[in-house]
Amino acid sequence: DQQVKQNSPSLSVQEGRISILNCDYTNSMFDYFLWYKKYPAEGPTFLISISSIKDKNEDGRFTVFLNKSAKHLSLHIVPSQPGDSAVYFCAASPPGGGNNRKLIWGLGTSLAVNP
Amino acid sequence: SQTIHQWPATLVQPVGSPLSLECTVEGTSNPNLYWYRQAAGRGLQLLFYSIGIDQISSEVPQNLSASRPQDRQFILSSKKLLLSDSGFYLCAWSVRTDTQYFGPGTRLTVL
Repeated sequence: DQQVKQNSPSLSVQEGRISILNCDYTNSMFDYFLWYKKYPAEGPTFLISISSIKDKNEDGRFTVFLNKSAKHLSLHIVPSQPGDSAVYFCAASPPGGGNNRKLIWGLGTSLAVNP
Repeated sequence: SQTIHQWPATLVQPVGSPLSLECTVEGTSNPNLYWYRQAAGRGLQLLFYSIGIDQISSEVPQNLSASRPQDRQFILSSKKLLLSDSGFYLCAWSVRTDTQYFGPGTRLTVL
């Protein structure tokens, strides 16, 4: 049972345009969300995160939007660049706190930015 | 600053052979440590996580095991590899936050 879903396995965008990657979750108690970027044969790199008390967080070309009522978040990349071509993973932090923090991961969306 | 190392970078092993992958973290103390596997074209599967020395939690039953003999060292092992153990193995750390930071990974091919 996939608690974090990235329903689009792939996305293709023209350079300079906006890339929108989507993520849905099922557990309304998730309180923190993260986006990671992964190139082939490398470890994922942390991109941006958002707490459930916010609905938007921005860092340069990357903005994450959170819609708690819809249990949906999205990552916007503007403008998209060829170097953004990678697999993007959405992850959520389950409730409970404590020291043993695990993340619940989506299956990823492969973004291709075409020159 | 913190860094995380994994070795080897690539490994080709025959079925039935043992495995030992090592992960070390520098520049932090008492990290949470994690082992993940990414099978070809799939997402990230959490295998083990550790909140301290000799404190290991297993997420999926399998022929793999993990150990944490030192605060910043995490080892993934197997006594006998299966074909299905092939994949990209990732170690990650976190400290007091949910953000995990990943190592470069080990590509394991079991033949």
